[in-house]
Amino acid sequence: DAGITQSPRHKVTETGTPVTLRCHQTENHRYMYWYRQDPGHGLRLIHYSYGVKDTDKGEVSDGYSVSRSKTEDFLLTLESATSSQTSVYFCAISEYGAGGNNEQFFGPGTRLTVL
Amino acid sequence: KNQVEQSPQSLIILEGKNCTLQCNYTVSPFSNLRWYKQDTGRGPVSLTIMTFSENTKSNGRYTATLDADTKQSSLHITASQLSDSASYICVVSAYNTDKLIFGTGTRLQVFP
Repeated sequence: DAGITQSPRHKVTETGTPVTLRCHQTENHRYMYWYRQDPGHGLRLIHYSYGVKDTDKGEVSDGYSVSRSKTEDFLLTLESATSSQTSVYFCAISEYGAGGNNEQFFGPGTRLTVL
Repeated sequence: KNQVEQSPQSLIILEGKNCTLQCNYTVSPFSNLRWYKQDTGRGPVSLTIMTFSENTKSNGRYTATLDADTKQSSLHITASQLSDSASYICVVSAYNTDKLIFGTGTRLQVFP
């Protein structure tokens, strides 16, 4: 998985609790992404980062926040988890972004269940 | 609206047979098109990336084609193997954006 780890890999939590998912890379890539994958939907972008402390929203950012204080770590926080946020979350990295022939590498995923 | 549509949603074939998966997109202006393979419980893995000027690209038994005029792509799998059982996702990027637009995938099952 191209030097990308996600933690935890599985989590069960209750509605209303805060949750933080971590993505760690060893590739020194500039871009990092958080996606969610749900049945019947393609992967949808939540937030992404184009450098340390530089982040931007994706198409499904409501209810999520992110932080990137180091090149290697990108955190996704659900401030108050809801059942609609039950999903599989994937982190991805890219050296130069989404254009041209730039590869985007995905982590192994985190399965989150909100009861 | 930028969209990527894939067909069929699912496909069952016998080991050793060939198959072709389809992808239509409405993303504009177009930058590149990718095909990913996603095994159950794993993250997607890139198979091919094609830019506007490329109309075919191969990766082993996988061959992707792109027709930028009709905004269609196909992924052809030759001599299928049991390990080809996975979801295949078509992904398109628009020019001057850092974001990818994903199709919902085709679920391929290869039986012996």
